[in-house]
Amino acid sequence: NAGVTQTPKFQVLKTGQSMTLQCAQDMNHEYMSWYRQDPGMGLRLIHYSVGAGITDQGEVPNGYNVSRSTTEDFPLRLLSAAPSQTSVYFCASSFRTGDYEQYFGPGTRLTVT
Amino acid sequence: GESVGLHLPTLSVQEGDNSIINCAYSNSASDYFIWYKQESGKGPQFIIDIRSNMDKRQGQRVTVLLNKTVKHLSLQIAATQPGDSAVYFCAENEGNYQLIWGAGTKLIIKP
Repeated sequence: NAGVTQTPKFQVLKTGQSMTLQCAQDMNHEYMSWYRQDPGMGLRLIHYSVGAGITDQGEVPNGYNVSRSTTEDFPLRLLSAAPSQTSVYFCASSFRTGDYEQYFGPGTRLTVT
Repeated sequence: GESVGLHLPTLSVQEGDNSIINCAYSNSASDYFIWYKQESGKGPQFIIDIRSNMDKRQGQRVTVLLNKTVKHLSLQIAATQPGDSAVYFCAENEGNYQLIWGAGTKLIIKP
C-alpha cells in the first residue's frame, strides 16, 4: 500500500490564483481530513469527510472547498489564494470515523506571494 | 473551542534516559487524548491514545498518564533513543469528529 499520498510537494501561488491540492489513500479508509500547520503551532482542521459524498467544515474552513466523490480521493481547493494561506497542508485518513489513529500524508508546502 | 497547550516548547534529554513530555488541556468534556510524533519534514505519526475514563495506558516504550483532576496529560518515553528526536503533539477530541491540537514540544536527544 502507498498509504496517503499528496501532490504537489511544493507550490508557489500568486494572490488571487486558485489551485487544487490532491490527496489519495489506498487503504479503504472511511474518514479523511485536511489540516494546515503554521510555524510553531499545532495542526488545525480545515475540512473532513466521513465517507464518499459527505463533507463537513473543521476549525478553519474559510477560503477552502472540498469534495469526496470516491472513497480514495479527497482534494482540497483554494478558491482565491491569499498570503494568509501560506502554510504546510496535511491530508490524513483513518479506518473509521472516530478512530484517532490517523495516517498522514507527507504534506504540501504552499507559499502565496 | 478550547485549546490544548504544552508546558515546554523544547525538551533536551540524554540518550538512554527517560523523557517526560507534558500537556495541559482545558476542556473537561474531552473524551479522548492522543499523542502524535512528527519528524522533520514528515507528517505526524500516531503514538498512543487514552480514553478519558482511564488513568494510564502503556505501549511499546511509551506510557501515557492522564490526571483529570488537574487536566494534565503526559507522555513518558523509556530509554530515549536518537530516533525519538521529533516534535510531539498532544491532541484532544471533544466528542465530535475533530481533533484539537497543542502547539508541540520539540524533543532533543543529547549523545
